[in-house]
Amino acid sequence: KAGVTQTPRYLIKTRGQQVTLSCSPISGHRSVSWYQQTPGQGLQFLFEYFSETQRNKGNFPGRFSGRQFSNSRSEMNVSTLELGDSALYLCASSLLWHYPYEQYFGPGTRLTVT
Amino acid sequence: AQTVTQSQPEMSVQEAETVTLSCTYDTSENNYYLFWYKQPPSRQMILVIRQEAYKQQNATENRFSVNFQKAAKSFSLKISDSQLGDTAMYFCAFMILSGYALNFGKGTSLLVTP
Repeated sequence: KAGVTQTPRYLIKTRGQQVTLSCSPISGHRSVSWYQQTPGQGLQFLFEYFSETQRNKGNFPGRFSGRQFSNSRSEMNVSTLELGDSALYLCASSLLWHYPYEQYFGPGTRLTVT
Repeated sequence: AQTVTQSQPEMSVQEAETVTLSCTYDTSENNYYLFWYKQPPSRQMILVIRQEAYKQQNATENRFSVNFQKAAKSFSLKISDSQLGDTAMYFCAFMILSGYALNFGKGTSLLVTP
């Protein structure tokens, strides 16, 4: 079974631009979560989606948004990029009702904002 | 607020030896899951072991085992017969049942030497 895939793997953007990152969960997984990883703040939860509904959101500004499609694929969007948004963005999926809290991570998207 | 503390930023162990990574957490919830994740230099986050808070028996996965002390809110990871491939950043994390979000510690960088 294929793992969680994230595209693109690397991205360089300029301050003020916006960016969209994509995540395809493991087949059959319906929950998708997003995390931001930085050297200073560590791993921080962004949001979680299940059946196209956002069930939880971390403490991030409104510039960070996401959505989930009917096939469980998810995207996150960051508008008006700031230098501090440079990070590794990790997506994770989980299969509810069977070890529901076991999240499987993708390889991440490395975003650099210049 | 839920917090996770890993007090050992870096650790080193020789091949075939045993090492224990410490983790403490703080939560007022009763129902939660605890996890150890491993992030090798390749950056892919991998689940090492999972512990349900309602289970008194400590979880074990091959060379990896935990010492879960619920009253003390402690969740340490023991790696037996350390291998070079165990070199990685190890993150302790927990999730409350209704939150769908992993709360991570800052991580412990483990180096296994020949």
